[in-house]
Amino acid sequence: AQSVTQLDSQVPVFEEAPVELRCNYSSSVSVYLFWYVQYPNQGLQLLLKYLSGSTLVKGINGFEAEFNKSQTSFHLRKPSVHISDTAEYFCAVSLYNFNKFYFGSGTKLNVKP
Amino acid sequence: DTAVSQTPKYLVTQMGNDKSIKCEQNLGHDTMYWYKQDSKKFLKIMFSYNNKELIINETVPNRFSPKSPDKAHLNLHINSLELGDSAVYFCASSLRTARELFFGEGSRLTVL
Repeated sequence: AQSVTQLDSQVPVFEEAPVELRCNYSSSVSVYLFWYVQYPNQGLQLLLKYLSGSTLVKGINGFEAEFNKSQTSFHLRKPSVHISDTAEYFCAVSLYNFNKFYFGSGTKLNVKP
Repeated sequence: DTAVSQTPKYLVTQMGNDKSIKCEQNLGHDTMYWYKQDSKKFLKIMFSYNNKELIINETVPNRFSPKSPDKAHLNLHINSLELGDSAVYFCASSLRTARELFFGEGSRLTVL
């Protein structure tokens, strides 16, 4: 069975500070990895995805994530956050051979001035 | 043009009623999904259709019935609504060969 764990339900951070949102997964088969962002009262938008190749993936809005197979992690980072980054962030995996997505419980990033 | 659109955006109804949510995508995708997001923001897949064929049917009460008249549309009908059905329902679409979901803005259902 597959599962996705986001250890932090909330992350408060000051504007212009760096941030890391943690994601760990478990799966008995190969997976693809994703981060989605959800702004208030909106649907989810794709931030970035790891399918293969370089383990460091760059996404939109200055975010990046690193796939670590040995630690089964896919942590999201941004070197300097803005107020506008305040949102809910979801880590997700999909199976290599089947287009089914499993989502973590989300991390609310709260950027303070 | 909105890529994945859902109607209605808000739905308030009484227990026991029947309601429907509609979804349309104009991205040319062949796979569509319904997800339920509860009050704690947890997202759980309910159904998925590929070219009008049901391919994912999670453990969902049979009061929920999806229908896909064509690959651009996926509707969700809910019978005998219960308090626990209150949630935000998201429609999403993708190409089966691709690895990205495109979400609608959600339909917030409140059952009183």
